Amino acid sequence: EAQVTQNPRYLITVTGKKLTVTCSQNMNHEYMSWYRQDPGLGLRQIYYSMNVEVTDKGDVPEGYKVSRKEKRNFPLILESPSPNQTSLYFCASSFSGAQNGYTFGSGTRLTVV
Amino acid sequence: AQTVTQSQPEMSVQEAETVTLSCTYDTSESDYYLFWYKQPPSRQMILVIRQEAYKQQNATENRFSVNFQKAAKSFSLKISDSQLGDAAMYFCAYRPLYGGATNKLIFGTGTLLAVQP
Repeated sequence: EAQVTQNPRYLITVTGKKLTVTCSQNMNHEYMSWYRQDPGLGLRQIYYSMNVEVTDKGDVPEGYKVSRKEKRNFPLILESPSPNQTSLYFCASSFSGAQNGYTFGSGTRLTVV
Repeated sequence: AQTVTQSQPEMSVQEAETVTLSCTYDTSESDYYLFWYKQPPSRQMILVIRQEAYKQQNATENRFSVNFQKAAKSFSLKISDSQLGDAAMYFCAYRPLYGGATNKLIFGTGTLLAVQP
């Protein structure tokens, strides 16, 4: 089944404790992206990757890191999480080209206390 | 900068009735794509419908259709014969054809649709 697999689904952590949210897609998509969803703000892009070893900042990159060592994987790293990073996170992928909508992972609800 | 605006934070519709969700966007581009995504309580993001800006014909997918007004930069979603399963958050999104390095989807803030039995 074509899908984006994102883990974990829920995560509660403490301020400053490094964490990684994994994302993997099996559709050979070139483009991958991370978004955060907050009430009243919609989805905002954190980082994106056009292909292997090609990543760049989105609109809200502060406090996050990503890497793209393999085409299928695009982990999101929070090296020192803070409470303002409490949010719902989505990984998404697509073929390059604007006509393609994204395929989304099932989301990670992160709470930083 | 391109922006997407959904001015209705919440809407309600009776089962079997028709409802229209509004979306406007701002861009200087002439070629782009527009999307509506549905997010039910399961929080999965589901693509509902897609519209190509250079096509004048409005897209339709079963009970879902759009009213695309390019000059007005308006892209509303009409849901006919509403069903209880249509209750969800709906996001309008824009994707430029020539996005340079970003090629990203730009989302509105969403409209929460309730369906009353």
